Amino acid sequence: DGGITQSPKYLFRKEGQNVTLSCEQNLNHDAMYWYRQDPGQGLRLIYYSQIVNDFQKGDIAEGYSVSREKKESFPLTVTSAQKNPTAFYLCASSVTGSTDTQYFGPGTRLTVL
Amino acid sequence: AQSVTQLDSQVPVFEEAPVELRCNYSSSVSVYLFWYVQYPNQGLQLLLKYLSGSTLVKGINGFEAEFNKSQTSFHLRKPSVHISDTAEYFCAVLIGIQGAQKLVFGQGTRLTINP
Repeated sequence: DGGITQSPKYLFRKEGQNVTLSCEQNLNHDAMYWYRQDPGQGLRLIYYSQIVNDFQKGDIAEGYSVSREKKESFPLTVTSAQKNPTAFYLCASSVTGSTDTQYFGPGTRLTVL
Repeated sequence: AQSVTQLDSQVPVFEEAPVELRCNYSSSVSVYLFWYVQYPNQGLQLLLKYLSGSTLVKGINGFEAEFNKSQTSFHLRKPSVHISDTAEYFCAVLIGIQGAQKLVFGQGTRLTINP
């Protein structure tokens, strides 16, 4: 079955540590996205990538980094510079195009202890 | 700047009653609108989308939405809800940035169905 997988489902981090969230898709989509979800605030775009080896900052990129070395993978690193990293993180992908639907993964819940 | 406002943060409804979840958008360019549903601790699933054509859009699970350009609205409706419709619903507008697409989401509406 085609889809998007995110791992781990739950992640706990100590303050000052970097952590990496995995996102893999087998939909053969060119574009991939990372969103952050906080209660009552909807989803906000962190980073997006239209093609391998290229990515752009979204609205809240500070304290995050990404890479896109393979078409199917778009990992997100939450660095120690992110002041309030506790949130639900969602990865999405779409066929590059102006009106293509974005398909979402199941999410990773990150908690900073 | 384009934005989306969901007017109700929570909507409680009795089972088998009709429901309307309200969404207003602001956009100065072509409008592409989406409704997504999120069940607890899960990702988002597309309910329906408006790209062009008929202003009444039908989606999955018996939901429909009507695009109203003059009122800049895209309200979501269902004539009779079930317990299984309990979830959070997000309205979103698609905008173009540097050749890519970006979804701008509303704050979400939590729909609670009571027996």
